[in-house]
Amino acid sequence: QVQLVQSGAEVKKPGSSVKVSCKASGGSFSTYGISWVRQAPGQGLVWMGGIIPVFGTAKYAQVLQGRVTISADEGTNTAYMELNSLRSEDTAVYFCVRGIGAHAWTLAHWGQGTLLTVSS
Amino acid sequence: EIVMTQTPLSLPVTPGEPASISCRSSQSLLDRDDGETSLDWYLQKPGQSPQLLIYTLSNRAPGVPDRFSGSGSGTDFTLKISRVEAEDVGIYYCMQRIEFPFTFGPGTKVEIK
Repeated sequence: QVQLVQSGAEVKKPGSSVKVSCKASGGSFSTYGISWVRQAPGQGLVWMGGIIPVFGTAKYAQVLQGRVTISADEGTNTAYMELNSLRSEDTAVYFCVRGIGAHAWTLAHWGQGTLLTVSS
Repeated sequence: EIVMTQTPLSLPVTPGEPASISCRSSQSLLDRDDGETSLDWYLQKPGQSPQLLIYTLSNRAPGVPDRFSGSGSGTDFTLKISRVEAEDVGIYYCMQRIEFPFTFGPGTKVEIK
């Protein structure tokens, strides 16, 4: 059974950085897409970017390009999302999500979410 | 990027009755290489992480009841619930994954009347 366990809630100041981790267990890690999706309070879902660990190259949403870095460590089955130059608008719940079967990028298995609060 | 729209944005439903949500994309989601349509449906129940309902247009995810079905083609898609149950309340999102960046619709909030 696939399980994604994310790191805990964070409180950061504007201008700082955060790095959220997502440890996967059960099933293959390297050949499925790991996406990061965020949800601001009371708002909808936004795909931030993703990576297929065995290929190593991440894809990003243009609106976050330059501020976000997604990476994966195949040795520990852990994916990371780092967001820089934090703003209050980055306050959100951040989810990591893994693909399924032949559809590597389908958002099939969701982590529990990590709340990031950006406040001075 | 591909823009996804959904109608309605709010849907009051009666248990036991059918319900339908529409989703439209700004360009075709048909992958001509494999003939599949890269459109998925997700449900976010109150206080929970979203869950996958339907993938690649019409395939139910494991464990999803058969009262949920997905259909459509090209740029127009529909999620149908044959008989709504109380546990189906939440926000339903469609999402395209034919090209990066993947994009979601704004969501349809389903509530019991």
